[in-house]
Amino acid sequence: GAGVSQSPRYKVAKRGQDVALRCDPISGHVSLFWYQQALGQGPEFLTYFQNEAQLDKSGLPSDRFFAERPEGSVSTLKIQRTQQEDSAVYLCASSLWGRRAPPDNEQFFGPGTRLTVL
Amino acid sequence: KNQVEQSPQSLIILEGKNCTLQCNYTVSPFSNLRWYKQDTGRGPVSLTIMTFSENTKSNGRYTATLDADTKQSSLHITASQLSDSASYICVAVTSGTYKYIFGTGTRLKVLA
Repeated sequence: GAGVSQSPRYKVAKRGQDVALRCDPISGHVSLFWYQQALGQGPEFLTYFQNEAQLDKSGLPSDRFFAERPEGSVSTLKIQRTQQEDSAVYLCASSLWGRRAPPDNEQFFGPGTRLTVL
Repeated sequence: KNQVEQSPQSLIILEGKNCTLQCNYTVSPFSNLRWYKQDTGRGPVSLTIMTFSENTKSNGRYTATLDADTKQSSLHITASQLSDSASYICVAVTSGTYKYIFGTGTRLKVLA
């Protein structure tokens, strides 16, 4: 019955390290979204999954960013060879419906992972 | 380009006072307009959702308005409380793909 959870809550990486961020969506939710939120900015879309299928990855800033949701539930966002500009809060959201959702379909957000790249 | 702009960037008010936050959007095709509250260190939480046919929506002390012709929305907070201190983010949602376009938020500080 819990909401969306993310781990770790905080991650400090040295430039060049690889990191993996985890998202546990609300059970039974079809859709899963990843967003990047820079300091003082609104979230920006990264990628979208409907069950295990990654239907939209147009927001991923480079090929260093990779996301997966192999069994249609938990998702992992991986960032390879981290750069300082990757420092941000990474938010995960899930929603009950898939692409053909009604207009009032709600996205529920996790608390985010704050990534700091030194 | 799909865009959402919010004003003011930040706002300080005294407890018990009212305030109004503004949002202009350029999103096409447009489905609905949402307001979220984001506490520091937390994910955004939905306050209101309005489709293009709705002019106003209330949620307790929060009242949102939408003018789909001018592509403007506002969020009015009545009788502010210390717990209202947060960022308030306006989100315009596209129809079809239901992609969320976020504004940069208004940071509200309520002082005792």
